Amino acid sequence: KNEVEQSPQNLTAQEGEFITINCSYSVGISALHWLQQHPGGGIVSLFMLSSGKKKHGRLIATINIQEKHSSLHITASHPRDSAVYICAVSWTSGSRLTFGEGTQLTVNP
Amino acid sequence: NAGVMQNPRHLVRRRGQEARLRCSPMKGHSHVYWYRQLPEEGLKFMVYLQKENIIDESGMPKERFSAEFPKEGPSILRIQQVVRGDSAAYFCASSRSQGARYEQYFGPGTRLTVT
Repeated sequence: KNEVEQSPQNLTAQEGEFITINCSYSVGISALHWLQQHPGGGIVSLFMLSSGKKKHGRLIATINIQEKHSSLHITASHPRDSAVYICAVSWTSGSRLTFGEGTQLTVNP
Repeated sequence: NAGVMQNPRHLVRRRGQEARLRCSPMKGHSHVYWYRQLPEEGLKFMVYLQKENIIDESGMPKERFSAEFPKEGPSILRIQQVVRGDSAAYFCASSRSQGARYEQYFGPGTRLTVT
């Protein structure tokens, strides 16, 4: 069992829909990261958070430390949002990242 | 301010050859992480280095793989006697300092293909 679990594994949406991707982890963390990987593979850091909520444009990330759960929301989705979204955590013991398996998002026009 | 640089972006090697992957961290960053993404799999940690020191190599395969981050120049991930199973995307990330609160910035990756 992976220490970082993401759901869903695959998600298809119509343009304009509200999207939620979930991430759960097994033990206490120092920080949680949401990353985006486009076809062709570059990785972009979207958010790093350890509590509460962060917003950037149409993207919102929340974390509930007690429930060991985070969500990434995309409002008014667009085909250019199509990518793999990856949740990663830094455990309290160090800086290395442990990754979820990723969520493949496809937004159709 | 240039981001994290990796080269080459694509590398093809025959079985048994050596592969050298380079990573230049962002300006002002002295901490480098290497991660591997096997085909159809998630990213996995390999090694964490600070200038002239290996801090954590718990994710490195025991044989054929080595990493360094010299005082001057890029970090190098070296794979000796490559096998087909080494074919993967190798990403490096850099951060300003040690600790989970320092954000890691990723390079574009090197895609290694072993024929």
